[in-house]
Amino acid sequence: KQEVTQIPAALSVPEGENLVLNCSFTDSAIYNLQWFRQDPGKGLTSLLLIQSSQREQTSGRLNASLDKSSGRSTLYIAASQPGDSATYLCAPDQTGANNLFFGTGTRLTVIP
Amino acid sequence: GAGVSQTPSNKVTEKGKYVELRCDPISGHTALYWYRQSLGQGPEFLIYFQGTGAADDSGLPNDRFFAVRPEGSVSTLKIQRTERGDSAVYLCASSAVSGRATDTQYFGPGTRLTVL
Repeated sequence: KQEVTQIPAALSVPEGENLVLNCSFTDSAIYNLQWFRQDPGKGLTSLLLIQSSQREQTSGRLNASLDKSSGRSTLYIAASQPGDSATYLCAPDQTGANNLFFGTGTRLTVIP
Repeated sequence: GAGVSQTPSNKVTEKGKYVELRCDPISGHTALYWYRQSLGQGPEFLIYFQGTGAADDSGLPNDRFFAVRPEGSVSTLKIQRTERGDSAVYLCASSAVSGRATDTQYFGPGTRLTVL
């Protein structure tokens, strides 16, 4: 079973700072990996999907990278804003499985 | 277009009761997933539908849990003889094609189930 670890568990930064969220997974045999954000009491919002053949994906101030062979992905957030405050979840799939596997996330707080 | 919707948003029930949770996927999405998220944890997979059939139910914790998708669109998750440990947020997701394709899963807002 795919195991996902996200570091740090919580992060607090001042507004405007660039930051990196880390994700590691145990099985490198994946089709893709998604990054989500979750606001308190809400569902998950998809941010980026990286296919296993890709090294990175960008959307606005977000950039996600994937090193499949080492089982790592990072989410880079540029020029952080208070509205970025949320929990960020990394979710790879796994060859042979149909679902996504989630870590416990990184809870980000951006201080105005 | 509309996203994934789930009803009810909150459900409070007593131990031993039966509950049904509903999911309306994005129109045209053939793949539908149910996940369960306990407090402070990431979502955990329960069951996956491709069309009308349950293609993978390996995540259902026991036989008190059952899900259907009779017409390949709306899905209902059914829990019999609820237990306090069933309390969690139940999330539904859909994607355009099968779970093994490189397709984004879109999540609904979830149903918060509380078993007293």
